[in-house]
Amino acid sequence: GAGVSQSPSNKVTEKGKDVELRCDPISGHTALYWYRQRLGQGLEFLIYFQGNSAPDKSGLPSDRFSAERTGESVSTLTIQRTQQEDSAVYLCASSLGGWSSYEQYFGPGTRLTVT
Amino acid sequence: DAKTTQPNSMESNEEEPVHLPCNHSTISGTDYIHWYRQLPSQGPEYVIHGLTSNVNNRMASLAIAEDRKSSTLILHRATLRDAAVYYCPRGGQNFVFGPGTRLSVLP
Repeated sequence: GAGVSQSPSNKVTEKGKDVELRCDPISGHTALYWYRQRLGQGLEFLIYFQGNSAPDKSGLPSDRFSAERTGESVSTLTIQRTQQEDSAVYLCASSLGGWSSYEQYFGPGTRLTVT
Repeated sequence: DAKTTQPNSMESNEEEPVHLPCNHSTISGTDYIHWYRQLPSQGPEYVIHGLTSNVNNRMASLAIAEDRKSSTLILHRATLRDAAVYYCPRGGQNFVFGPGTRLSVLP
């Protein structure tokens, strides 16, 4: 079956521009997670969706970052006025349910480069 | 802040067993213990998870201490393809991934 997909796979943008990153979770997965991974670093949690509500936005690094999810489907992570420190791989994961009783399945990530 | 701690790196010989430790001293009673791995230039991959009892699957075994303050991921026979960064994230409503353990497998 289809796994988690993300688009674009690579994005190069100029400092100050806005970008949108898309995540298509596995069908039927109610929980969706966004992470950021800087070069050579571990994963940094950004936001978690249960259905289309986001009970935990605590990881969003600034108000330039926002995310939304349509139903139990596609999610979009938007970064406004991008900065060079936003350069990273942005990973999306989905799971059957929230909390930690279900394993997460990760997409291949979107590599964002801000010049 | 409740975090898990792991050694930065470990080394193993091919076809030898590998025991990767993780300390999660502040884990809550309802949080599952998860393990993921990340191969170079790929997204993380689920390995195994459990709550209290030891778990086995086709990839690995998970041994959970009786007090749940630590766990060990066991790869029974390491292969070159097992070289990766292994994470044991803190569970709960979101997952907190630390820097993980970089496993090198020597031929």
